[in-house]
Amino acid sequence: QLQLQESGPGLVKPSETLSLTCTVSGGSISGGFYYWGWIRQPPGKGLEWIGSIYYSGSTYYNPSLNSRVTISVDTSKNQFSLKLSSVTAADTAVYYCARQIAAPGFSGWFDPWGQGTLVTVSS
Amino acid sequence: DIQMTQSPSSVSASVGDRVTITCRASQGISSWLAWYQQKPGKVPKILIYDASSLQSGVPSRFSGSRSGTDFTLTISSLQPEDFASYYCQQANSFPLTFGGGTKVEIK
Repeated sequence: QLQLQESGPGLVKPSETLSLTCTVSGGSISGGFYYWGWIRQPPGKGLEWIGSIYYSGSTYYNPSLNSRVTISVDTSKNQFSLKLSSVTAADTAVYYCARQIAAPGFSGWFDPWGQGTLVTVSS
Repeated sequence: DIQMTQSPSSVSASVGDRVTITCRASQGISSWLAWYQQKPGKVPKILIYDASSLQSGVPSRFSGSRSGTDFTLTISSLQPEDFASYYCQQANSFPLTFGGGTKVEIK
């Protein structure tokens, strides 16, 4: 059974870079019509897609975050990572990683999801 | 970008009620839409994909449909465990976008 687990600091200072890693177990991050995505949810608010990566390294980002986001993949470790620079309090959220099931002709939906990790931006 | 307009933002209903939630896409997305359920403090869980395909293990009281760019999630007979928030997501093209969510509350 495929499982995803986010890891990284729960507290980041304003203007610094948020860094999270998602470790995939129970299956390979390589191959198939799967992207690997990051989604976030500010406290009490809705879901926002951050970006996605294919195992080859091809990436797609939310235009609203594009200049601050970098997603990378390490197939040897079965992991993918998120970096969000110049964070502010508005970036405080639960960050989820998820497998994105796609195919030629559509970009995909998310299943399964990691448990999520709360990242708070505060000095 | 494709905008997903979800309504209502909240609905109060009783056990046994039929509940309908709608998402409208700002442009055509074929049937590339998913619905998720999220209970408080929990991870979103996919219920429906491809607009009307039920994810394995999801009760048959959940159903999805499409009419043009309008998509509907229906809960035929609301159960206590269905009180949660529901989100649509267009899966047609990047950037991926979610609806604003619908909170189903106990009446």
